[in-house]
Amino acid sequence: EIVLTQSPGTLSLSPGERATLSCRASQSFTSTYLAWYQQKPGQVPRLLIYGASSRATGIPDRFSGSGSGTDFTLTISRLEPEDFAVYYCQQYGSSPLTFGGGTKVEIK
Amino acid sequence: EVQLVESGGGLVQPGGSLRLSCAASGFTFSSCEMNWVRQAPGKGLEWLSHISSGATIIYYADSVKGRFIISRDNAKNSLYLQMNSLRAEDTAVYYCARVRDSGRYLDAFDIWGQGTMVTVSS
Repeated sequence: EIVLTQSPGTLSLSPGERATLSCRASQSFTSTYLAWYQQKPGQVPRLLIYGASSRATGIPDRFSGSGSGTDFTLTISRLEPEDFAVYYCQQYGSSPLTFGGGTKVEIK
Repeated sequence: EVQLVESGGGLVQPGGSLRLSCAASGFTFSSCEMNWVRQAPGKGLEWLSHISSGATIIYYADSVKGRFIISRDNAKNSLYLQMNSLRAEDTAVYYCARVRDSGRYLDAFDIWGQGTMVTVSS
């Protein structure tokens, strides 16, 4: 099983700042199979990024994904008020699919 | 409108059973790979199970293997999760999720239902 470790657990930033979220895998896998999701309180997860760097339909270009091997990053270039949420990475290259524990981006 | 609607959650005693349903609309359900994911209160996301469009390929997480059964009825545009031998740690919101159309069995989840709450308690 591929274990995904997200860091930091919580990121305290102000609107307009840049957010950098990390997702590290316990073993290398094809970067094509890494996704990022956003979940706001009381809401359903929303797909942001698939294939490590491809934005899902309707996702603003301030969200970008990068990385390969075991280290992946989600970057939010300038935080908007609606971006404060919990973010999860997921690998879907092989079963069992796994999610990271999440990073909460909170308003400083 | 593309939509997934779960139902069937509720309160069940430890050791009991429950069957969740997920009704799909707005897309060709029979062509889509589907999954179940859960989220315990205040916790992160946990993948549970995958079923291919024709139900020929099925995967389970170790935490539910042997207790949960995923199935689908393409004629009814519906996905199911039969949950047996339920435990307190199965308490969670259960989501069904559609795999994005990429030609692969496994891919990211682009559509999620609103979730149904399952509480296992005596």
